[in-house]
Amino acid sequence: GIQVEQSPPDLILQEGANSTLRCNFSDSVNNLQWFHQNPWGQLINLFYIPSGTKQNGRLSATTVATERYSLLYISSSQTTDSGVYFCAVESGGSYIPTFGRGTSLIVHP
Amino acid sequence: DVKVTQSSRYLVKRTGEKVFLECVQDMDHENMFWYRQDPGLGLRLIYFSYDVKMKEKGDIPEGYSVSREKKERFSLILESASTNQTSMYLCASSFYWDRGQVLDTGELFFGEGSRLTVL
Repeated sequence: GIQVEQSPPDLILQEGANSTLRCNFSDSVNNLQWFHQNPWGQLINLFYIPSGTKQNGRLSATTVATERYSLLYISSSQTTDSGVYFCAVESGGSYIPTFGRGTSLIVHP
Repeated sequence: DVKVTQSSRYLVKRTGEKVFLECVQDMDHENMFWYRQDPGLGLRLIYFSYDVKMKEKGDIPEGYSVSREKKERFSLILESASTNQTSMYLCASSFYWDRGQVLDTGELFFGEGSRLTVL
């Protein structure tokens, strides 16, 4: 099956800093989603982005499907951005999302 | 707003007990999923269902079964709980639509999770 790798595995920032999270995948994809898991375990869908660029406030995401990667940008980070960020992809004829292992982000005040 | 509701946030069970985890979604989604999340291993798919009474095994189905008698409800069953099933269980749902030769899916929505401890 498709392999999904996220980097870095861990990231520690000071409030106000910017960061880039990366998701690489081993095959062409039909869909790609980014999620944020808060410290209480709830996963929230951030972006549904099989290709192109989207922005939502301080967050934006870009997927370059032909080069098999996606980037999540967080600008002016806040403590509430802390948590784990996952990307999930669907490929081939499957509509079952496969998840990466996540990037754990800690933002200090 | 889409809502996916899991019946219990925290459960403590004993080895050998039968455990039911319930999940209900209110947006008429066709797809429903059960994932398990463990530290360092990410989310792993246990079972999924693409329609009522339809189910397929995921990556780690051993020790689990599922039931989908109604479109909005997807239950995960541990027939005889074991300590290695201590974990966070996450239910999710999404639309899918048939575009002829392609099946396309919508955003995935998660419940709040059920943290199970088996003693």
